[in-house]
Amino acid sequence: QKEVEQNSGPLSVPEGAIASLNCTYSDRGSQSFFWYRQYSGKSPELIMFIYSNGDKEDGRFTAQLNKASQYVSLLIRDSQPSDSATYLCAVMYNNNDMRFGAGTRLTVKP
Amino acid sequence: NAGVTQTPKFRILKIGQSMTLQCTQDMNHNYMYWYRQDPGMGLKLIYYSVGAGITDKGEVPNGYNVSRSTTEDFPLRLELAAPSQTSVYFCASGRGQAQPQHFGDGTRLSIL
Repeated sequence: QKEVEQNSGPLSVPEGAIASLNCTYSDRGSQSFFWYRQYSGKSPELIMFIYSNGDKEDGRFTAQLNKASQYVSLLIRDSQPSDSATYLCAVMYNNNDMRFGAGTRLTVKP
Repeated sequence: NAGVTQTPKFRILKIGQSMTLQCTQDMNHNYMYWYRQDPGMGLKLIYYSVGAGITDKGEVPNGYNVSRSTTEDFPLRLELAAPSQTSVYFCASGRGQAQPQHFGDGTRLSIL
């Protein structure tokens, strides 16, 4: 079974804090991992993608991948109220089979 | 910068009716995808295409059909609408396998 699990939240952090979002997946053969942000009533927009073990940084965002433990995480530094959204973890399995987690709802309080 | 364009944005269907959800992309992407998203859930892959003339089933294909006659267009067909197909439908495109996908604005479909 190809599962992608996320804590549904809500996760609440104060403005300026670090938000940590986690995701676990079931298939060790997965090669590509994505984080999307989705505002209420809107379409998903790509935040980060990562293919290799370790960290990948882009501005205030850092994606972390640990294939041995089958988890991928997203850190948001200096969180802003505009970061309040649902964050979707997505894992690309073989043959273009993309599986999404149910999402973690993040609220950043001013 | 149109990107991925979906039409219509909203639609209400009666049980048993049929309709086609349109999706067009202007990024010359070979890969295109259709997803559905139920309230509070993640996206589920319905069908995908790796190029014109090539389509394949995703996780939840039952009740849907697709075609891909051109690189730009990837319509999704519902033949006999059922209440279980009430959802938000997203079309996406990407440059290749395992590449990031770019999403359209979605179609909100209600079947009553």
